[in-house]
Amino acid sequence: SAVISQKPSRDICQRGTSLTIQCQVDSQVTMMFWYRQQPGQSLTLIATANQGSEATYESGFVIDKFPISRPNLTFSTLTVSNMSPEDSSIYLCSVFKGVDTEAFFGQGTRLTVV
Amino acid sequence: LAKTTQPISMDSYEGQEVNITCSHNNIATNDYITWYQQFPSQGPRFIIQGYKTKVTNEVASLFIPADRKSSTLSLPRVSLSDTAVYYCLVGRAAGNKLTFGGGTRVLVKP
Repeated sequence: SAVISQKPSRDICQRGTSLTIQCQVDSQVTMMFWYRQQPGQSLTLIATANQGSEATYESGFVIDKFPISRPNLTFSTLTVSNMSPEDSSIYLCSVFKGVDTEAFFGQGTRLTVV
Repeated sequence: LAKTTQPISMDSYEGQEVNITCSHNNIATNDYITWYQQFPSQGPRFIIQGYKTKVTNEVASLFIPADRKSSTLSLPRVSLSDTAVYYCLVGRAAGNKLTFGGGTRVLVKP
């Protein structure tokens, strides 16, 4: 299994500001995935983060709004920039460990923008 | 990626068996079927994965017919703690991005 720690677990932020979410994994992984889950909705993939290269963003998500860092094989950050109330969601990071067929998820960061 | 369709919600009672069927008509030859469970305020958790026929583990069973265009997750003798959202996903077995559909919200009543 994989243990994933996300920080912060929740935050309330003012519109126009930015929040950086951290994701720490207890072992080295090749890819880390960032998802968004809007209230009452399913998960939507934001981007895939590989160490040593730029993240790959899904349709509808751009680097300027959601910059991602991946400085090493156990850590990644997602920044939600210039926030608006529409960014209020739960943000989750996820990994596969080795050849595991199951993905592991962090507990999520509940973001409220006011 | 194959699109999945599953019921929005299901109600059940403690001790009953819950069966959730997922349709995936466009499943590809090398796609697997994976189910995840999500409790409120938690990330999704892997339940079971299969390719064809039947797979069983300590939590659930997964039934996949020969044409693989649908699958059924079976939760035996549910308890209140099984109240959660259950997601059916279709895609590569491991290591790839996941595409979540709408999920099925299961409510287990006393």
